[in-house]
Amino acid sequence: QKEVEQNSGPLSVPEGAIASLNCTYSDRVSQSFFWYRQYSGKSPELIMSIYSNGDKEDGRFTAQLNKASQYVSLLIRDSQPSDSATYLCAVNPDSGYALNFGKGTSLLVTP
Amino acid sequence: DADVTQTPRNRITKTGKRIMLECSQTKGHDRMYWYRQDPGLGLRLIYYSFDVKDINKGEISDGYSVSRQAQAKFSLSLESAIPNQTALYFCATSDLQTSVNNEQFFGPGTRLTVL
Repeated sequence: QKEVEQNSGPLSVPEGAIASLNCTYSDRVSQSFFWYRQYSGKSPELIMSIYSNGDKEDGRFTAQLNKASQYVSLLIRDSQPSDSATYLCAVNPDSGYALNFGKGTSLLVTP
Repeated sequence: DADVTQTPRNRITKTGKRIMLECSQTKGHDRMYWYRQDPGLGLRLIYYSFDVKDINKGEISDGYSVSRQAQAKFSLSLESAIPNQTALYFCATSDLQTSVNNEQFFGPGTRLTVL
């Protein structure tokens, strides 16, 4: 079984702080990695994708990938209460299969 | 209009009934997926289809069947619903032609309750 592991949380951060969300995966040949945001009762929304080692920035979001350590993270700068949601890490083992999802980390940004 | 639509959005049914959940997409994607989501268990893949002639079982296909009627339509059926199939069901799409990395886009979901 190809595992994608996330701390369930909740992770609580004050408004304006940096939220750091982490994900590890077991399949060493995985090629692409995604972060989805899911508000309660809503569908997952793709917010970041990363394919190469290093950092990728998009607005307040930064995804970090370390394939040697099989680790991917999401940083949210200047966290806002509207960022409160569950963040799902997803891993694509190869282009011929569906994504493997972690169970998600619940983030709570307090005013 | 939404790119991926699901009908119905909410459904309450009784044990033993047959029910069909429908998914349609206007994104022109070739790949479609059905997931269910349960509290604490995350998203679990039920079935997926890479084109109209290709249907594959996911990790939890027992008790479900699917039909890919056209590139844009992918239906999920519960032949005889049971209470532990109560969950939130999502359809998703992706397209190998535009993204070899298999980014998936989700529909709004169907909340199914089996009494």
